[in-house]
Amino acid sequence: KNQVEQSPQSLIILEGKNCTLQCNYTVSPFSNLRWYKQDTGRGPVSLTIMTFSENTKSNGRYTATLDADTKQSSLHITASQLSDSASYICVVSAGAAGNKLTFGGGTRVLVKP
Amino acid sequence: EAQVTQNPRYLITVTGKKLTVTCSQNMNHEYMSWYRQDPGLGLRQIYYSMNVEVTDKGDVPEGYKVSRKEKRNFPLILESPSPNQTSLYFCASSFGASRQETQYFGPGTRLLVL
Repeated sequence: KNQVEQSPQSLIILEGKNCTLQCNYTVSPFSNLRWYKQDTGRGPVSLTIMTFSENTKSNGRYTATLDADTKQSSLHITASQLSDSASYICVVSAGAAGNKLTFGGGTRVLVKP
Repeated sequence: EAQVTQNPRYLITVTGKKLTVTCSQNMNHEYMSWYRQDPGLGLRQIYYSMNVEVTDKGDVPEGYKVSRKEKRNFPLILESPSPNQTSLYFCASSFGASRQETQYFGPGTRLLVL
């Protein structure tokens, strides 16, 4: 069964600090891995998308890494801002067409001033 | 403005009363999908559609139906809703499911089945 596990479930950081979120997956056959940001009560918004051959991808202060050998990904947030308070969801696409998506449970991040 | 719209945004209904949640996108996307989000369970895929007249089951399709008669619309149908279908529902679309296609989510529909 395809699974995506995220850790930690939640974390609190001070404004301006960095943090790293983890994602481990057992999805086959792998197509791509995405990180989403979801504000409370709203739809997820795409941050990064990585295919098998990509190791890292950045979107502003967000940097995602992918190790396809160990089936792990991380999302690093640099110089956190209050607006970074949200849930961050790791999603892995499977299948030749990448049409079956498996979502992680998310990491809830709270940035405090 | 490029967007995915869902209607209604909030719905309270009773067990067994058929309902439809509409989803529409104006980006000419081929791929559309429905998800439900529940506390502690995260987002789970209900159904997806690779193109017009092509639909397939996701992880939790029981109790739901979909149709894709036109490219822009992908309604979610609950023929006989039950309380365990109380949830937050999201529709999403993208040009394709694979490669580096950004998926756009709608604002969500909060459903309560009594």
